[in-house]
Order: sequence, then C-alpha cells, then structure tokens
Amino acid sequence: DTEVTQTPKHLVMGMTNKKSLKCEQHMGHRAMYWYKQKAKKPPELMFVYSYEKLSINESVPSRFSPECPNSSLLNLHLHALQPEDSALYLCASSPEVRNTGELFFGEGSRLTVL
Amino acid sequence: QQQVKQSPQSLIVQKGGISIINCAYENTAFDYFPWYQQFPGKGPALLIAIRPDVSEKKEGRFTISFNKSAKQFSLHIMDSQPGDSATYFCAASGGNTPLVFGKGTRLSVIA
Repeated sequence: DTEVTQTPKHLVMGMTNKKSLKCEQHMGHRAMYWYKQKAKKPPELMFVYSYEKLSINESVPSRFSPECPNSSLLNLHLHALQPEDSALYLCASSPEVRNTGELFFGEGSRLTVL
Repeated sequence: QQQVKQSPQSLIVQKGGISIINCAYENTAFDYFPWYQQFPGKGPALLIAIRPDVSEKKEGRFTISFNKSAKQFSLHIMDSQPGDSATYFCAASGGNTPLVFGKGTRLSVIA
C-alpha cells in the first residue's frame, strides 16, 4: 500500500463548483508534488512544494490552486474547471529536494468535470 | 521537444520470456534514471533506478542497462509473468530539470 494518501478517490464536479483534492504523507519527505495524468499518457508536473516554496509549471491554468498547510499535507483547490480538466490527479512526495526523480505516488484522485 | 524517448509503445511477451523496453535522452545534465510501473487505476510506483556511474543494475528479475556514451538506457524483465502486465515509464532527472517521463510502454504478458 502506498504511503501517500489521496482523498477523494473519485470526484465528479460541475464547471461552476469549487472542490479540493487532499494529499497526506507521513514519511518525512521534503518535497511534495501534484501531477495530472490523462489516459494513456505520462504524468505531467503541475506544482512542486519544497521548503514551503511553491514552484509552478507556468502552463497550469489559475483555476488550479495549490496549498501546503504543513510539510505533510498538500491540497489542490479546484474552481471553474473545464471538461478537458478531467483526468487522474496524482500526488507524490520525494525524500530529497535535490533529487526529484525518486517519487512516491499516491493512488490518485479521478476527477470528472461535467 | 521530447526529452526522453521511449519505445516500443506497446509490447506483447509470452510468459517466461524477456521484455525489453528502450529509452534515449539528450540532456547530459540528467543524473538519475528511474523506471516506474503503473497498474490500471493506480499511481506509478518506482521500480528500479540507476545513476550514470554504473552500466547495469539488477533487482530480482528487473535489470537496467545504461549506455552513457549513447545516452540510452533500457529495462529488461526476465522470466516475464502475467502479473508484470502494466504500463512502464522510463524517466530522467538532474541539473535544474525536474523528472521527465517517457511516453510509456504498455506491456502485456500472455500465458
């Protein structure tokens, strides 16, 4: 079982809704990530949080808003999404900030936007 | 521009056979090359990884071969089993570049 826990596992929302995805890790890892994965595609990096600093993929629309309440929690706030935002949203953590290649992924939150 | 090129896109192997997936990269600043395994409905899981100072790493039935001069690396799965059926992603990271994934290989091991 993964040590990165994501909730909810499934989420259906309308384009005017506001919802949040939650992620938690208790491995003491120093960096946490949000990835988006479309069917039959590799994961695509959205955000990185390390040492309370946010790094953004500039191609990510502002309707996605990350929040890091503490070093073990990472949220993704969703607002005014589009149907093309439907995807599997993966949270990951890594022990080291310098090596972003050793990632521990959660099982993902399957998002459907109607 | 795709930084890590992966082939084949899909692969069918008989049970007990050897599965081979290949990847190539361009960025010489990459210094960490992991392989991730993903089952349907699950997140990717780190399978095995290598750094450029070694040419081969073996963990059980899984082996990474690394050719620094050719900027290529490959995953070999010996004695492939139906339970190995999954999507495999090669990846690379290093320098100021966060983890970059290949496009993935869907492996089917048939009995």
